[in-house]
Amino acid sequence: LAKTTQPISMDSYEGQEVNITCSHNNIATNDYITWYQQFPSQGPRFIIQGYKTKVTNEVASLFIPADRKSSTLSLPRVSLSDTAVYYCLVGDKGGNTPLVFGKGTRLSVIA
Amino acid sequence: DAGVTQSPTHLIKTRGQQVTLRCSPKSGHDTVSWYQQALGQGPQFIFQYYEEEERQRGNFPDRFSGHQFPNYSSELNVNALLLGDSALYLCASSPRLAGGNYNEQFFGPGTRLTVL
Repeated sequence: LAKTTQPISMDSYEGQEVNITCSHNNIATNDYITWYQQFPSQGPRFIIQGYKTKVTNEVASLFIPADRKSSTLSLPRVSLSDTAVYYCLVGDKGGNTPLVFGKGTRLSVIA
Repeated sequence: DAGVTQSPTHLIKTRGQQVTLRCSPKSGHDTVSWYQQALGQGPQFIFQYYEEEERQRGNFPDRFSGHQFPNYSSELNVNALLLGDSALYLCASSPRLAGGNYNEQFFGPGTRLTVL
């Protein structure tokens, strides 16, 4: 049973900012929030991880409110190559529980 | 660094047969996890190996078994194949040692298994 809930699909035009929100109401104190990206016929790829507030890397930003019951992955100025499935997961860094993937959010970027 | 490698890339079997899939982890990683991904679904955790032992297991029957070798590479074995076992099988590695981030797993390209 997935610990997270996210939209099934989203559409966006090239050059726009895309925000994908994930709900994780039962997140545990030791859990981190991790996002993966998956292209067709490839394995998922780690994008970003955070615990609270905001995290930014060269690919995306992750916004986490104080209660940590949700998070938002922000992709700036998407291109056609960002078309993929995005997964939100929660879990502790130590691997005491396995990663649980839901169905993810299928992002389609349109020219 | 070759990253995570898996073999074979594709495989076709018939019902009742047995299959072995192989995985070599990313250099420096000692933990290997296996996932099954059916079409249109997210990856489902099968089991995890660390120090040559199965450490965690998902909701999969005993027909699914594995092994980890001293060089950290791993095998996934599936016996008595069913049509429903057709899927993409993914291997992922991560560092388990102190300071490692289990949540940042590196996935291989997968093995596409078709059961006829």
